[in-house]
This record gives sequence, structure tokens and C-alpha cells, in this order.
Amino acid sequence: DTAVSQTPKYLVTQMGNDKSIKCEQNLGHDTMYWYKQDSKKFLKIMFSYNNKELIINETVPNRFSPKSPDKAHLNLHINSLELGDSAVYFCASSQVPTGSDTQYFGPGTRLTVL
Amino acid sequence: AQSVTQLDSQVPVFEEAPVELRCNYSSSVSVYLFWYVQYPNQGLQLLLKYLSGSTLVKGINGFEAEFNKSQTSFHLRKPSVHISDTAEYFCAVSGRRDDKIIFGKGTRLHILP
Repeated sequence: DTAVSQTPKYLVTQMGNDKSIKCEQNLGHDTMYWYKQDSKKFLKIMFSYNNKELIINETVPNRFSPKSPDKAHLNLHINSLELGDSAVYFCASSQVPTGSDTQYFGPGTRLTVL
Repeated sequence: AQSVTQLDSQVPVFEEAPVELRCNYSSSVSVYLFWYVQYPNQGLQLLLKYLSGSTLVKGINGFEAEFNKSQTSFHLRKPSVHISDTAEYFCAVSGRRDDKIIFGKGTRLHILP
């Protein structure tokens, strides 16, 4: 039974399009995250939600809009895709939003913008 | 603000040999420290973490790490590696009052037959 799942696994699209990535966790956690991993494997936090409330919003272009319909889901919508958005996007969850808590990662969504 | 430096981007090592992956951190406050592993085409999973107490932390798959406050280091070790340990290893840090963790740039462990 997958703990943190993401769909789709791969996403290939043209510049200028709008796309969404979905994430679901069945761990009963309160906190969910979106990370971006670039081609050099560098992993950077984008957003964090706790109980459907946004608590971390790093310096991400406003073309990226997260939405949390409930505690178990955190989706990422990206408008007007650019070449530089190509990356692997990881969803993660933790029980609580503290730095000490273990984060559980999904398998990633590889986004390629042509 | 916290930061973490992984000194080696790649570490090749022969199977059954010992390995050490180096990690140094910078912080003006007390920290939590983590090592995560990313197997090819997968998400990250926690290997081990240091929160407080004993400075030697044991994790999964035979890995351990030692917190050294004076040297601001948290190096990861395994006495004998296996081909299945081929992966990217990430050191991470969080300040004790923070709600996020900062990842290092990763070290690729390459096991030679």
C-alpha cells in the first residue's frame, strides 16, 4: 500500500501550457510538501501545507499554485510552463510541521517542457 | 539560517569495502541532522537522524553517522557496502525552531564490482 503517491509519473508538455500534478498520502499526516529536484539532483522546498493551510512559500514564481482540498491531498498547478520548469517534482508528508519530523517522499513526477 | 555542505559529489568504492560520506553543516542555533537516500528513479527515504542524546546514530541498512558539534560534521559510514547501496545520499539540516529542512547537494555512491 503506497504511503505517498503522485500522478502522473511522467509529464511531457509544450512551453506555455498549463499542467497539474496530484499528490495523496494515506499516512494520516497533517503536513505536506512540494519539492523541486533539478538536473543536478539539488532538492529545494517550494511549498508546505499544514492541515490545509499554507505555511511555507519559498520564492517560487506565482505561476505555481498549490492547492490542498483536504489533509491527505496536495496538488500543484503550473501555468504558462517554461523550459526552466523541467525537473522532478516530489511530494512529501510528515506528521507535524517541525524540523525534527521524518518526511516521507512520493516517487516523483518527471516534468519535461519542450 | 542553516546550510549543509556535502564535500564529495561522487564516491566510488569497491563492493565489501568501507565507505564514509562527508557532511558539514553551518548554523548559529542547535540543529537536527538527517541522512536521506534516493535509489535510482525513486523518492527519498530516511536513513537516520540525529535529534539529541548519543552522538552515534544507527540507521537502516547497516549505516551509521556521528554528530560532531566541534567540527560541525555529520559523516555517514558503512563498514561494508553492497551493490544495492548504489544511490544518491543527501545530508540535511534543520534548526530546532524551523519548520523545514535544508538539503545538501547529494553524494552519489558508486559501488565497483
